[in-house]
Order: sequence, then structure tokens, then C-alpha cells
Amino acid sequence: EIVLTQSPGTLSLSPGERATLSCRASQSVSSSYLAWYQQRPGQAPRLLIYGASNRATGIPDRFSGSGSGTDFTLTISRLEPEDFAVYYCQQYVDSPRTFGQGTKLEIK
Amino acid sequence: EVQLVESGGGLVQPGGSLRLSCAASGFTFNSYAMSWVRQAPGKGLEWVSAISGSGSNTYYVDSVKGRFTVSRDNSKNTLYLQMNSLRAEDTAVYYCAKDPRSSGYYFYFDYWGQGTLVTVSP
Repeated sequence: EIVLTQSPGTLSLSPGERATLSCRASQSVSSSYLAWYQQRPGQAPRLLIYGASNRATGIPDRFSGSGSGTDFTLTISRLEPEDFAVYYCQQYVDSPRTFGQGTKLEIK
Repeated sequence: EVQLVESGGGLVQPGGSLRLSCAASGFTFNSYAMSWVRQAPGKGLEWVSAISGSGSNTYYVDSVKGRFTVSRDNSKNTLYLQMNSLRAEDTAVYYCAKDPRSSGYYFYFDYWGQGTLVTVSP
């Protein structure tokens, strides 16, 4: 089973700042089969990024994904108030599909 | 517009059973694999089970194998999760989620329902 470790656990930033979230895999995620989701309180997760760097439909271009192998990054270029939420990475190259434990992005 | 609406959650005693449903609309249901993903209170996400578009192939995380059964009725555009021998650690919000790939699967998820809460407690 591929274990995904996200860091930091909590990130405190202000609107307008840049956020960088990390996801590290215990083994290589081939073909960059990695996705990122956003979950706001009381809501279902929403797909942001698939294939490590492809934005899902309707996702603003301030969200970007990068990385390969075992190290992946989600970057939010300029934080908007609605971006403060929990973010999860997920690999879909191996069974079972696994998620990281999440990074909470909170307002400073 | 894709919609996924779960139902069937509730309070059940340890060892009991529950069947969850997920009504789908807005897409060609039988072309897409579907999954169940759960989230224990205050915790992260865990993929639980999946089923191919035709229903002929099913997949489970080890912790639910032999206890949970996923199925689908493509004539009713509905996904099911039959949960038996429930344990306290099965307490979670259960989401149904759609695969983005038609005629195949990736088991990542482009649409999610709003979830249904299952509580396993005496």
C-alpha cells in the first residue's frame, strides 16, 4: 500500500499570500497518477487537480499542481477567502487507492 | 448536471447491518465505475469499495472485505453498499463518488455526493 504523507499539517496564511502544500509518497507514483481535493467544512471533497498537474473543470488558475515520482506539490498563487479549507492528495496508481492525511489551510 | 444523492445512513448497533444507496443523474451511469469513500468524524478520507460500470468487477479495502458488498442497478441509476457485521470503527460519513473515466476506471473522483452518516454504537 502506498502511504501518502502531507505537510505541513496546518498552514496559517493571510488572503493574498501564496500557499505551498506538499504530498510525499512511500513509493513512486508512476504516470503521475496523483490527484488533489479541497474540502470545506461540512462539504464533500472537490476535485482540484488530476494527473499531478491538470486542473479539473472549473478550477481557477490560481491552483496548480506539480511533481513526479514521490514528491508532489499543490500551489495556490494568491489565496482567496474561500480557499481556506482542508486539502487532500490521493494516488490512483496502486490498490488500494489511498489518501494523504490532509493539510488544513487556515486564516492567519 | 451530475448529481449523486446518498441515503440509508443511520444509527446501528455493533454487529448489525445497513444498506446505503446512491442515486445518480446527469450522466450515463452504466459507463462509469463508482466508488464509496468514507470519512470518520474529524478524520481523513478512506476509499472503501468500487465497482465497474457493468457491475462485473468489484474492489474492496482489506478492512471491509467479507463484510461489505458493493452493487449497482444500472436500470435504476443507483449504487448500493450493503454493510454487515458493522463495527464501531465503521462509523463515518459515506460518500459515493464517480470515476472520471468512461469504459474503464482510474478510481479517482470527479464528482461526489454530499454523504450519509453511519453511526455504529450500542
